[in-house]
Amino acid sequence: AQRVTQPEKLLSVFKGAPVELKCNYSYSGSPELFWYVQYSRQRLQLLLRHISRESIKGFTADLNKGETSFHLKKPFAQEEDSAMYYCALISGGYNKLIFGAGTRLAVHP
Amino acid sequence: DAGVIQSPRHEVTEMGQEVTLRCKPISGHDYLFWYRQTMMRGLELLIYFNNNVPIDDSGMPEDRFSAKMPNASFSTLKIQPSEPRDSAVYFCASSLRDYGYTFGSGTRLTVV
Repeated sequence: AQRVTQPEKLLSVFKGAPVELKCNYSYSGSPELFWYVQYSRQRLQLLLRHISRESIKGFTADLNKGETSFHLKKPFAQEEDSAMYYCALISGGYNKLIFGAGTRLAVHP
Repeated sequence: DAGVIQSPRHEVTEMGQEVTLRCKPISGHDYLFWYRQTMMRGLELLIYFNNNVPIDDSGMPEDRFSAKMPNASFSTLKIQPSEPRDSAVYFCASSLRDYGYTFGSGTRLTVV
């Protein structure tokens, strides 16, 4: 069964510290993975997708098929990065997006 | 494009009442999804449509929940009768295949 696991409910760091939000997945085929971000009481927004191999707001994520991981990283956290982050996987031929439980990132001054 | 539009933004209703949530997807998108977000359960996919046809409604919690998509520009999620445990934020999202989802601002439902 397809599943996305985000083991940390809360990640608390100080401004300027490196950040790594963990995401592991289980999927039988070739996965398409995403990170979405939700700022306080706002809609979910696409942060990045693995096929784009881009960096958005200083965040990057590399798909590691051997470890079935898609961790989100940023070298220097900013206070405005505080938000909920969801890792997600496209499942099957019908474009169905499966979300992990989410990790709340809190960046302190 | 104004994005995915949901209404109302907030809804407070009494237990037992019927609640209807509305969604207007982005023009041209062929997928529409309804999600429910709670602190306890995170984001749950309730149902999704492809070209107005329901594809998977296995996430709909009970028969009290129903969803329709009468045309490409409109969908409703109805709860009848509503219960306090239905209190959550309900998100609608639309997508064009392979291009990622665009979410609406959500409807915050409170059932008292």
